[in-house]
Amino acid sequence: DAKTTQPPSMDCAEGRAANLPCNHSTISGNEYVYWYRQIHSQGPQYIIHGLKNNETNEMASLIITEDRKSSTLILPHATLRDTAVYYCIVKYSGSARQLTFGSGTQLTVLP
Amino acid sequence: NAGVTQTPKFQVLKTGQSMTLQCAQDMNHNSMYWYRQDPGMGLRLIYYSASEGTTDKGEVPNGYNVSRLNKREFSLRLESAAPSQTSVYFCATFNEGWNSPLHFGNGTRLTVT
Repeated sequence: DAKTTQPPSMDCAEGRAANLPCNHSTISGNEYVYWYRQIHSQGPQYIIHGLKNNETNEMASLIITEDRKSSTLILPHATLRDTAVYYCIVKYSGSARQLTFGSGTQLTVLP
Repeated sequence: NAGVTQTPKFQVLKTGQSMTLQCAQDMNHNSMYWYRQDPGMGLRLIYYSASEGTTDKGEVPNGYNVSRLNKREFSLRLESAAPSQTSVYFCATFNEGWNSPLHFGNGTRLTVT
């Protein structure tokens, strides 16, 4: 599975959009981009995923570049409860393989 | 519907002791994973199981053994615990081929003194 690169930390003002980037330049055609977040030391929580089209759900939006080498998770109106570590991973949709997480981005939403 | 259940939630061991971390899922998923997370660090894959009866090593398998007892259960065993194994352990599952996300348990917090 392709590796991902994320900035170690970001700040965002409460009520503003948080834009979290992820680089996955070695992604292959059948790998999806997934985003998770981890609040304190709870189990990671699934947010959103996509293949090549932009996706939106009740939690966030995912923008994937046309060449699929990078993506951005957008939290449209960040709240203090969105303070967490955000992980971007790429996952093959077929048979099970090693799924590895990087260090993620610590997002701190400031009041 | 419990999802992914990990037991115990907390455990303190002395160096050299053994224990088994249990993970059970009720989602009928084929694939199960064990990760560890050290303080301030990301998740590292220990072992995974693509299906009942099969297991494979991840990034950091040394010091651990696993057993995929049946489709529901995937256990992680520490035969001789070491302080370096102090960590939070997460179990996760997903259904390959269904474009599904990983589902995580709430973790087991292990301290080895």
